[in-house]
Amino acid sequence: KAGVTQTPRYLIKTRGQQVTLSCSPISGHRSVSWYQQTPGQGLQFLFEYFSETQRNKGNFPGRFSGRQFSNSRSEMNVSTLELGDSALYLCASRAGSTNNEQFFGPGTRLTVL
Amino acid sequence: GDSVTQMEGPVTLSEEAFLTINCTYTATGYPSLFWYVQYPGEGLQLLLKATKADDKGSNKGFEATYRKETTSFHLEKGSVQVSDSAVYFCALRISQGGSEKLVFGKGTKLTVNP
Repeated sequence: KAGVTQTPRYLIKTRGQQVTLSCSPISGHRSVSWYQQTPGQGLQFLFEYFSETQRNKGNFPGRFSGRQFSNSRSEMNVSTLELGDSALYLCASRAGSTNNEQFFGPGTRLTVL
Repeated sequence: GDSVTQMEGPVTLSEEAFLTINCTYTATGYPSLFWYVQYPGEGLQLLLKATKADDKGSNKGFEATYRKETTSFHLEKGSVQVSDSAVYFCALRISQGGSEKLVFGKGTKLTVNP
């Protein structure tokens, strides 16, 4: 079974631009979560989607948004990029039932200049 | 709120040394606890988990015991290898209304020298 895939792996943007990151979950997984990893703040939960609905959201500004498609693929969007948005963005998928393990993708490294 | 505190390191050991990485948590109720490992350039991999008090998770020679009385989940390995060099994250899982999220510690970078 293929693992969680994320595209692109690396991205360089400038302040004020917007960016869209993509995540394809493991086949059959209906839940996708996003996390931001930075040296200062560590790993922080952004949001979780299940069956195209956002089920939970972390403490991030409205510039961070996401969506999930009917095939469970998910995208996250960051608008009006700031230098502090530079981070590794990790996507994780799970089957969706309670207490299923989350499987992480390799991440997208976003650099904002 | 729920949180995880782990020793931040970095930790440098010689091959075959004993490893302990401390992790304590603050949570409402009794969350499931996890250790994840991140190798350079990769995402997180689940190393081991424990879902209730006194459970011991183990994998690849690593062990951790869920201690409710001390709210701890320390990671140990009796003899580390160079290939164990990575960043280790302690985490707890919060489940609410069908949604789940992981709360992570800051991570501990381990370097094992030959």
